[in-house]
Amino acid sequence: SQQGEEDPQALSIQEGENATMNCSYKTSINNLQWYRQNSGRGLVHLILIRSNEREKHSGRLRVTLDTSKKSSSLLITASRAADTASYFCATPPLGDYKLSFGAGTTVTVRA
Amino acid sequence: DTAVSQTPKYLVTQMGNDKSIKCEQNLGHDTMYWYKQDSKKFLKIMFSYNNKELIINETVPNRFSPKSPDKAHLNLHINSLELGDSAVYFCASGGVNTEAFFGQGTRLTVV
Repeated sequence: SQQGEEDPQALSIQEGENATMNCSYKTSINNLQWYRQNSGRGLVHLILIRSNEREKHSGRLRVTLDTSKKSSSLLITASRAADTASYFCATPPLGDYKLSFGAGTTVTVRA
Repeated sequence: DTAVSQTPKYLVTQMGNDKSIKCEQNLGHDTMYWYKQDSKKFLKIMFSYNNKELIINETVPNRFSPKSPDKAHLNLHINSLELGDSAVYFCASGGVNTEAFFGQGTRLTVV
C-alpha cells in the first residue's frame, strides 16, 4: 500500500463552504506536501510543511501536521468553483528519494 | 519558460509498437521522476533519478526503460506496448526537500 493516503475519496460542497481532507502516512518523513490537480493537467504544488512544523497557511489554505499520529489535514476556506480539483498529499520518507502520492481526494464545489 | 516540459502531449499507437516520451526541466533540480496515472487517478511512481543515476525502480516491467543523458533530461522509452500501458504519464522534478514541478502529462492510448 502507499505511504500516503487521503481521506475522503470524494467531497462535494457548496461554494463558500469549507473543505477538509486528511492524509495519513506510515513512516517518518522529512516533510509533507499537498498538491492540486485540475482535470487533464499536471499536479501543482500547494504547500510544503516540514516535520518540525505543526501548522502552515497560504491564502485560503491551512495545513496541519501531527507527526505523533502520522497525519495531516488540508483545509480550504470559503471555497470557490475554481477549487474543484483532486488533491494529493506526498510524503517523502526520511533519507529517501521516493516522492509517492496517495489516491487523492476529489473535491467538487457546487455553485 | 516552462519549468518541466514533456513531449508529446498525446500519443496514440498500436499494440506492439515502441514509443518514447521526452522530458526536460530547466530548474536545476538533481531529482527527476516518472509517474503513471491510471483512469482512477491513482498516481503511481515508476522511476526516480538523482544526478542521472537510477534511484528507484518501482517494479515496472522491463519494457519500460528510462534514460537520463544529463540532469536536465529524463526520457521514457516503452517497448512492445500493451493495452494496459494506456494511461497518462507525468514527468516531475525536485520534490524531496522542496516542491516538485510536474509536466503537463502525456496521454498514451494503445489500440
